[in-house]
Amino acid sequence: SQELEQSPQSLIVQEGKNLTINCTSSKTLYGLYWYKQKYGEGLIFLMMLQKGGEEKSHEKITAKLDEKKQQSSLHITASQPSHAGIYLCGADGTGTASKLTFGTGTRLQVTL
Amino acid sequence: DTAVSQTPKYLVTQMGNDKSIKCEQNLGHDTMYWYKQDSKKFLKIMFSYNNKELIINETVPNRFSPKSPDKAHLNLHINSLELGDSAVYFCASSQVPGQGLTGELFFGEGSRLTVL
Repeated sequence: SQELEQSPQSLIVQEGKNLTINCTSSKTLYGLYWYKQKYGEGLIFLMMLQKGGEEKSHEKITAKLDEKKQQSSLHITASQPSHAGIYLCGADGTGTASKLTFGTGTRLQVTL
Repeated sequence: DTAVSQTPKYLVTQMGNDKSIKCEQNLGHDTMYWYKQDSKKFLKIMFSYNNKELIINETVPNRFSPKSPDKAHLNLHINSLELGDSAVYFCASSQVPGQGLTGELFFGEGSRLTVL
């Protein structure tokens, strides 16, 4: 079965600082999804990467999928308190997105 | 309009009781899911239904029985609740990727179950 490992598990950064979260898969990915979960709420879709070397950006968040399609990174530029939450990567190991396996999550806190 | 809605949002009950969580999606998606998020925030798939048919059952105890009366609804019934069932249960829906669709999951806000 596909396993996803995220690092770091938790992160505390000062407002305005940049940060990176990594997601490593035990198998090749058909698709890699990034989600954000605010405390006590559901998951919000951020972006999806499919092709090796692909990079996508949404506001101040950029995600990349490496060429071998086994690792992805999520980079936040000039972090803000609104970025705080739990970031989860989800892997599509089937190509049909019928069963997403999620990573262990990274808890981000942004201090003033 | 809420895309994926779950009820109840909070549920506190005694061990041994039977409870249900309901889920409805108004997105027209063919696939619906139940995920369980434990106290460590680890999110794990339990069931997946496509057009009312069960396609994924991830070795969940028989006490958990999903039911899909139509493709817009997926309910979760739990018998003989145990302490370890305490968690947040998320319902989600999606459409198969392709034709511009990414296949992302749309999640409900979660149902927090506490078993005493």
